[in-house]
Amino acid sequence: AQSVTQLGSHVSVSEGALVLLRCNYSSSVPPYLFWYVQYPNQGLQLLLKYTTGATLVKGINGFEAEFKKSETSFHLTKPSAHMSDAAEYFCAVSDRSGNTPLVFGKGTRLSVIA
Amino acid sequence: EPEVTQTPSHQVTQMGQEVILRCVPISNHLYFYWYRQILGQKVEFLVSFYNNEISEKSEIFDDQFSVERPDGSNFTLKIRSTKLEDSAMYFCASKGTGANVLTFGAGSRLTVL
Repeated sequence: AQSVTQLGSHVSVSEGALVLLRCNYSSSVPPYLFWYVQYPNQGLQLLLKYTTGATLVKGINGFEAEFKKSETSFHLTKPSAHMSDAAEYFCAVSDRSGNTPLVFGKGTRLSVIA
Repeated sequence: EPEVTQTPSHQVTQMGQEVILRCVPISNHLYFYWYRQILGQKVEFLVSFYNNEISEKSEIFDDQFSVERPDGSNFTLKIRSTKLEDSAMYFCASKGTGANVLTFGAGSRLTVL
């Protein structure tokens, strides 16, 4: 069975500082990996995904994530935080068939301090 | 940009009452899902639906839950007799054929008193 662990339920950074949100996965086969963002009172919006190819993937709003198979990690980063980045971030995993449900982590709330 | 639409955005109900949450998936999508998020907890899979039948369901999706696609555009989640622990945000999602990305709606917040 697949699972996702997000370290840190709440991360606080200063505006302009590096954002690092951690995600580790457990999967018996190479998975597909996703980061979703949830702004207040909104749905889950896809930030980026890793399926095949380049292990460093770039998403919207300047975010990127790197798939590291040896570390079973898919950490999300952004070089410089903006106030508008304050939201809940969810890492998710699915298998490559595309027919099994997404499994989500518990989420990390990002706060950005002026 | 196409989006998944959910109604109501918030519903308050008394314990034991029936609730129907509605979703309009993206029009050419064929795979439909319900997830829920209890406050402060992770987003959990409830059920997936394809070709007019349930393709997979979690242990959460017991006999109190049902899904239906009554008219080719709506996708509904019914909870027959709500319990306090059903209070959560319920997300609908849909996916197109050959795609590996789910598009989520904004969610329906259910509060059971």
